[in-house]
Amino acid sequence: DAGVTQSPTHLIKTRGQQVTLRCSPKSGHDTVSWYQQALGQGPQFIFQYYEEEERQRGNFPDRFSGHQFPNYSSELNVNALLLGDSALYLCASSSISVKGEQFFGPGTRLTVL
Amino acid sequence: GQQVMQIPQYQHVQEGEDFTTYCNSSTTLSNIQWYKQRPGGHPVFLIQLVKSGEVKKQKRLTFQFGEAKKNSSLHITATQTTDVGTYFCAGPGNTPLVFGKGTRLSVIA
Repeated sequence: DAGVTQSPTHLIKTRGQQVTLRCSPKSGHDTVSWYQQALGQGPQFIFQYYEEEERQRGNFPDRFSGHQFPNYSSELNVNALLLGDSALYLCASSSISVKGEQFFGPGTRLTVL
Repeated sequence: GQQVMQIPQYQHVQEGEDFTTYCNSSTTLSNIQWYKQRPGGHPVFLIQLVKSGEVKKQKRLTFQFGEAKKNSSLHITATQTTDVGTYFCAGPGNTPLVFGKGTRLSVIA
């Protein structure tokens, strides 16, 4: 049983570019949440997707957008990259019917130069 | 908005010593979760506490949820080098989970 998978593992972009990160949730999970983790900080919630809709959103600008597909996988898109967007982007999956544990993927390390 | 604070930020211990990290929320929590993140890794769920005053043990780890459901602690007895990592508490708020900044534990063999 595969856990949460994310791609790519690492990514280097320049300011102003756009990036797409991908996540496949754990088998049996229907909800995907995205987090940004800056160095030395805790994960910060970006948004959550369920039934292909954004359910909740954290305090992130519109440059951050997402999508969920019918197979529950998800994408995170960031436009007009800034240096401050450099971080580890984590995807977490869960089941909408089970409150509690979120299963995190290995993350994508994004560096913006 | 809701804030979750953890202390200490860093802790260095000799192998075999005990370790405790404390978590405080600015609001009452319906539950609190603890995660461990190894260096270069991703957060891994440890436990969820739901009831006021709840205490749960996992081998050498003891988790406690305060009576007012605004604070929590994680205590590790006789630390080992495998305990190295950052321990985060997280609680539901205006987003599904609000994480603290974590306590980074170093264990000196």
